Amino acid sequence: EPEVTQTPSHQVTQMGQEVILRCVPISNHLYFYWYRQILGQKVEFLVSFYNNEISEKSEIFDDQFSVERPDGSNFTLKIRSTKLEDSAMYFCASRAGQIQNEKLFFGSGTQLSVL
Amino acid sequence: AQSVTQLGSHVSVSEGALVLLRCNYSSSVPPYLFWYVQYPNQGLQLLLKYTSAATLVKGINGFEAEFKKSETSFHLTKPSAHMSDAAEYFCAVSDGATNKLIFGTGTLLAVQP
Repeated sequence: EPEVTQTPSHQVTQMGQEVILRCVPISNHLYFYWYRQILGQKVEFLVSFYNNEISEKSEIFDDQFSVERPDGSNFTLKIRSTKLEDSAMYFCASRAGQIQNEKLFFGSGTQLSVL
Repeated sequence: AQSVTQLGSHVSVSEGALVLLRCNYSSSVPPYLFWYVQYPNQGLQLLLKYTSAATLVKGINGFEAEFKKSETSFHLTKPSAHMSDAAEYFCAVSDGATNKLIFGTGTLLAVQP
């Protein structure tokens, strides 16, 4: 089965630093998502992306966050100035976009630790 | 607003025993419901989904879930647990319009030999 690939699997950074989390969605997919899970809490929706623009974002996704599809294959999440509370597992997901409520394919996640 | 609640953050069963993972939903519109599983060091994988075609939904690896509107529940079951079922299981709901998933907090299933 095709896979969504996320790199790195673990990222440690200092508070205030910028981080970029990378994802390679499945090649023919059109819709892309970022979710995160703070330890012990729910998996939370951050943002959805389609046709090179954000289609929906949550309250969590403030001005410190941005997403980009720079080259037609990668899908990145940037956190401009990390805070301690940004420590979480970040999941990228994609779907083909052909039918409603079709399956989302998730990556294995990037564990971000902000010190 | 839509939400799901998973009762029990940790469930432990013996190998061969029944697995029952509970999920209750809240939705103002007919919901689309999902169960995802996350094995260690892997991404979330779809186990099964309910989209109103049938109330009893069969998924992969012998799992199934029953949609009960009267109880607003979508519990996940498997008749006989296997060691390889040890993983974290997430219930999720979608409104069908945006395909955005709202997840529960997850249930970590341990299978004892």
